[in-house]
Amino acid sequence: DAGVIQSPRHEVTEMGQEVTLRCKPISGHNSLFWYRQTMMRGLELLIYFNNNVPIDDSGMPEDRFSAKMPNASFSTLKIQPSEPRDSAVYFCASSLGRDPTDTQYFGPGTRLTVL
Amino acid sequence: SQKIEQNSEALNIQEGKTATLTCNYTNYSPAYLQWYRQDPGRGPVFLLLIRENEKEKRKERLKVTFDTTLKQSLFHITASQPADSATYLCALYYNQGGKLIFGQGTELSVKP
Repeated sequence: DAGVIQSPRHEVTEMGQEVTLRCKPISGHNSLFWYRQTMMRGLELLIYFNNNVPIDDSGMPEDRFSAKMPNASFSTLKIQPSEPRDSAVYFCASSLGRDPTDTQYFGPGTRLTVL
Repeated sequence: SQKIEQNSEALNIQEGKTATLTCNYTNYSPAYLQWYRQDPGRGPVFLLLIRENEKEKRKERLKVTFDTTLKQSLFHITASQPADSATYLCALYYNQGGKLIFGQGTELSVKP
């Protein structure tokens, strides 16, 4: 299996622009997670889906962030408008089911820089 | 709110020695605790899971302990190798919150 696929790997944009990050989970996995990692705050859960339905979005920082999962093989995280403080590495992860002990498999991440 | 503390300073050890990393938490104990490895430019990789009713878990050269009285987990790598050099993250799961909370990680460097 190819693992979790994220694109782009690097994104540099200017403040105010819209940014869309993409994720393809491992085939057959029913849960998908979006995380953000910074030096200051570490790795934080933004939102997670189960069977394409958002279950917990309490980690989404503000209304500028939105996430969708239109089908089992694709998810997007959108930031509009972007701000310099959004600069971070964004990871997508997937797991087999809804059991919290199911192993989460992380993608390689998207490094976002907002100028 | 829950706070997780891992050594912020990098741990430098000699090849062949045992590396011990610490994860401390405040307030109530998690249902279970996980350890992950993260290499530069890559996503975290799951290593071990230990539940609150378990004292110790082993996997090859890795050993994890969980002491709910001390509110602490220790992660050991025996016979360490330069290839073990990475950042190690602990993550706690609480039934009440329903999600993993990650520590900041500890960087381990194993010198030949």
